[in-house]
Amino acid sequence: SQQGEEDPQALSIQEGENATMNCSYKTSINNLQWYRQNSGRGLVHLILIRSNEREKHSGRLRVTLDTSKKSSSLLITASRAADTASYFCATAPNTGGFKTIFGAGTRLFVKA
Amino acid sequence: SQTIHQWPATLVQPVGSPLSLECTVEGTSNPNLYWYRQAAGRGLQLLFYSVGIGQISSEVPQNLSASRPQDRQFILSSKKLLLSDSGFYLCAWTRGTGESGANVLTFGAGSRLTVL
Repeated sequence: SQQGEEDPQALSIQEGENATMNCSYKTSINNLQWYRQNSGRGLVHLILIRSNEREKHSGRLRVTLDTSKKSSSLLITASRAADTASYFCATAPNTGGFKTIFGAGTRLFVKA
Repeated sequence: SQTIHQWPATLVQPVGSPLSLECTVEGTSNPNLYWYRQAAGRGLQLLFYSVGIGQISSEVPQNLSASRPQDRQFILSSKKLLLSDSGFYLCAWTRGTGESGANVLTFGAGSRLTVL
């Protein structure tokens, strides 16, 4: 079963608006990551937040992590048409091993 | 710098035919290697991962197999393709366990397989 589940499945906003995507997961984790995928391409790593961190920033990206609720959010501020892509959360369980498990993703469409 | 190459980019194969997708990583040694599959509009399903030459772990029972004949080469194969094998296959690598950034996956550009 999927470790991470993103919400919403799809999001359409105007350029300049903020986009918020949420992710919930089921088991205890070492870290949580967000990736971006342009249509028909490979995924690109955006940001990693460790289980002992609550918030992390990278440029226009802000990620929060609430381990008590087993949830994370990705905020993209001042969105641009070039941000149009699918965004995935991925979790690495703290049981060890090498399995990074991905959610189904949120498809973001930013209208110019 | 490290790079990952994956080929072929696109493949159309008849049901029952064999499959071979290749992936190589440059600029690093002893990487962890992964094969994921993505169905249209869906998330990624982990198929195989490898922590060293000849060491393969399978996540999903299926008619696919993987091999790692060299440290930086990972091959996905099938003897007889099924319609359900159609999808977007992604190879990825991470640094070895214990190294900084060990969990961060770097993906190849993907191979789109259509089985007819």
